[in-house]
Amino acid sequence: GENVEQHPSTLSVQEGDSAVIKCTYSDSASNYFPWYKQELGKRPQLIIDIRSNVGEKKDQRIAVTLNKTAKHFSLHITETQPEDSAVYFCAAPMNYGGSQGNLIFGKGTKLSVKP
Amino acid sequence: GAVVSQHPSRVICKSGTSVKIECRSLDFQATTMFWYRQFPKQSLMLMATSNEGSKATYEQGVEKDKFLINHASLTLSTLTVTSAHPEDSSFYICSARRLYQETQYFGPGTRLLVL
Repeated sequence: GENVEQHPSTLSVQEGDSAVIKCTYSDSASNYFPWYKQELGKRPQLIIDIRSNVGEKKDQRIAVTLNKTAKHFSLHITETQPEDSAVYFCAAPMNYGGSQGNLIFGKGTKLSVKP
Repeated sequence: GAVVSQHPSRVICKSGTSVKIECRSLDFQATTMFWYRQFPKQSLMLMATSNEGSKATYEQGVEKDKFLINHASLTLSTLTVTSAHPEDSSFYICSARRLYQETQYFGPGTRLLVL
């Protein structure tokens, strides 16, 4: 089954700097990789996702890159702002049995952006 | 849009009682809904997957007789925590997915406290 590792667990940056969070996955059959942002006490919100037929996707200050050979994908946030402070989760789909397509989440990265 | 609501947002109950949590997709038909449990500062742990009109699939270690899931319509799934005990206190979050799509949209969560 799928295993998702996420690093770092905490990340502190100065406002305006870039932040990078990395995830690795184990199942080469995985083909969909979302990133969620969760503010304290709130629901996880999808911020960007990528499918395995592309290597990079960008949406304003947020980008995701995918390396299928190495089985890792990364979230890049540029020009960070205090409101980017949250916990970020990566995920990859389960690809076995009746659970096909269900998501396995990384352990999360707590991002703190200091003004 | 893809809005998911959850009710109640917060519940306090006595040990031994049962609690029902509702998850609704407000503007789309959710063929699949998921129930997660999240402990403080931890990741999302999938408890079960429910498909409309069929029995839920539970993850290993989750007691199906304790966490009853019903997905009777394309817009509503319910989770009932039966005979709740203090160790069941947690943040329960549902998510919903359209047919043939991978993206999951999350509800706002229900914070359960069992005294």
